[in-house]
Amino acid sequence: QSALTQPASVSGSPGQSITISCTGTSSDVGSYNLVSWYQQHPGKAPKLMIYEGSKRPSGVSNRFSGSKSGNTASLTISGLQAEDEADYYCCSYAGSRVFGGGTKLTVL
Amino acid sequence: EVQLVQSGAEVKKPGESLKISCKGSGYSFTSYWIGWVRQMPGKGLEWMGIIYPGDSDTRYSPSFQGQVTISADKSISTAYLQWSSLKASDTAMYYCARHSGVSRWFDPWGQGTLVTVSS
Repeated sequence: QSALTQPASVSGSPGQSITISCTGTSSDVGSYNLVSWYQQHPGKAPKLMIYEGSKRPSGVSNRFSGSKSGNTASLTISGLQAEDEADYYCCSYAGSRVFGGGTKLTVL
Repeated sequence: EVQLVQSGAEVKKPGESLKISCKGSGYSFTSYWIGWVRQMPGKGLEWMGIIYPGDSDTRYSPSFQGQVTISADKSISTAYLQWSSLKASDTAMYYCARHSGVSRWFDPWGQGTLVTVSS
């Protein structure tokens, strides 16, 4: 099963909004509303930010939101802050579990 | 507090065996899956497999089937990842994470176990 496709990098200035895409197929992202998103700071373990496509776990800022259109899921971060600079990974279910290749977010 | 604590870093030689652990606390260990994820140096996350400690049902990623063994001992709330013969290419950080069988999320994650395989 191929990894989900994410842009290698995105950037934005403090206060701006950015969107990270996660493209799969009709067999994974397109078939199930089970995409989750993870934030990973350098040297740290990943942290769950979004599950079931658009739900936020308790304690995660409402600046983070998720959506899906067809075979592509998206993570939007509004009001960018310096602390948002990290790697972000999507994950989908398709009988198996598959991660995206990861996106490095740089806050300018 | 739900927590997963992994065993410490390991340095091994090619051909050696290894078993690393992941101990859960703060929740019913037998009611959630435990997943293992590999992160090679400077690379992304790769799903390796999951185990349901309640009945030891185990699923592997095709990429890791036959390369590793996932197990669990529910009496001590601990899951394991083991290799019978390590290769240099097994050098990586390995994370365990609690996994929902319904919503398919991974949360929380253990702190990671760094495995270095070098002659």
